[in-house]
Amino acid sequence: SSELTQDPAVSVALGQTVRITCQGDSLRSYYASWYQQKPGQAPVLVIYGKNNRPSGIPDRFSGSSSGNTASLTITGAQAEDEADYYCNSRDSSGNHLGVFGGGTKLTVL
Amino acid sequence: EVQLVESGGGLVQPGGSLRLSCSASGFTFSSYAMHWVRQAPGKGLEYVSAISSNGGSTYYADSVKGRFTISRDNSKNTLYLQMSSLRAEDTAVYYCVKGAVAAIVGGHFDYWGQGTLVTVSS
Repeated sequence: SSELTQDPAVSVALGQTVRITCQGDSLRSYYASWYQQKPGQAPVLVIYGKNNRPSGIPDRFSGSSSGNTASLTITGAQAEDEADYYCNSRDSSGNHLGVFGGGTKLTVL
Repeated sequence: EVQLVESGGGLVQPGGSLRLSCSASGFTFSSYAMHWVRQAPGKGLEYVSAISSNGGSTYYADSVKGRFTISRDNSKNTLYLQMSSLRAEDTAVYYCVKGAVAAIVGGHFDYWGQGTLVTVSS
């Protein structure tokens, strides 16, 4: 079983704001990173660290963290944001990066 | 431009072996940890293995420990995953992933290859 818990599915109306969450004990000590995966494609990094976006990721994507919960927020969701989103962090011992959340399927209505 | 190109996937019988390769370009390969992450059909991401930049540290998920071996050749900019005693549950797309730091722990995964499919079936 995953040490990071995500809601299996979330939906958002086009242009609205949506928050995808990831819960786990390790998040009290370590930041999560977030990955977007569209059907048939490899995952892409969208958020890492406290709230950092790689080059090319739109600024409508942002990250935050509080207690044991990390969040990915999309402000003004677009049709192209429909995808699976995975969080990742260290395990509880902090010894490796081997923990992914189960993934959240985002539907843009 | 960072490129990670996996090869070596295919159909293998249960109990068989396979070696995956990942050819890297566009960055200083010897400066970064590398990882393998897999995804079974219709399932989520599963972390498989990691190797530090100089190859001195490795990590394996419990599900593959003792059966898989990760290695790298920094002179050839290539990452490997030797898989043996393969099981049906190892069937997945295997992604080669670049770490953002030299160590196997810390940082994040900043570039992913397109993946190679491994199918374990008789």
